[in-house]
Amino acid sequence: KAGVTQTPRYLIKTRGQQVTLSCSPISGHRSVSWYQQTPGQGLQFLFEYFSETQRNKGNFPGRFSGRQFSNSRSEMNVSTLELGDSALYLCASSVLAGDYEQFFGPGTRLTVL
Amino acid sequence: GQSLEQPSEVTAVEGAIVQINCTYQTSGFYGLSWYQQHDGGAPTFLSYNGLDGLEETGRFSSFLSRSDSYGYLLLQELQMKDSASYFCAVKGTNAGKSTFGDGTTLTVKP
Repeated sequence: KAGVTQTPRYLIKTRGQQVTLSCSPISGHRSVSWYQQTPGQGLQFLFEYFSETQRNKGNFPGRFSGRQFSNSRSEMNVSTLELGDSALYLCASSVLAGDYEQFFGPGTRLTVL
Repeated sequence: GQSLEQPSEVTAVEGAIVQINCTYQTSGFYGLSWYQQHDGGAPTFLSYNGLDGLEETGRFSSFLSRSDSYGYLLLQELQMKDSASYFCAVKGTNAGKSTFGDGTTLTVKP
């Protein structure tokens, strides 16, 4: 069974631009969560989607948004990029919302210049 | 809100046993999970404690005490490949948000 895939793997943007990241969960998984990981900050929860609905949201500004499609694939969008948005963005999938075992993708490394 | 505290770094020698502690503050949660992340890699699930007590999975064991707001991950017969970051995590019952600790970097020396 294929794992969680994320595209692109690396991205370089400039301040003020916007970016869209994509995540394809493991087949059969309907829950997708997004995390931001920065050195010294650990994994910060962004949001969780299940059956195309956002179930939970972390403490991030409205510039961070996401959506989930009927095939469970998910996208995350960051508008008006700031230097502090440079991070590894991880996507994790699970069969159901609330599952304690999440399967992480390799992440998208975003660099904002 | 929820917060978890872990030591930032732990060093041990090959073959030894190491314990990584996790203390938490939360209004309610389903259980405590542990993840391993090698440098440059994705976090991978190690274990979960939904109830108090010890869970064993091969060389790894995890423990939870809700009355003490405390858990730990125990790694036995350490191998060089165990050098990685280890994260404890909870999913809150109130809003279902997932919270991870800042991670513990384990260095295994020969």
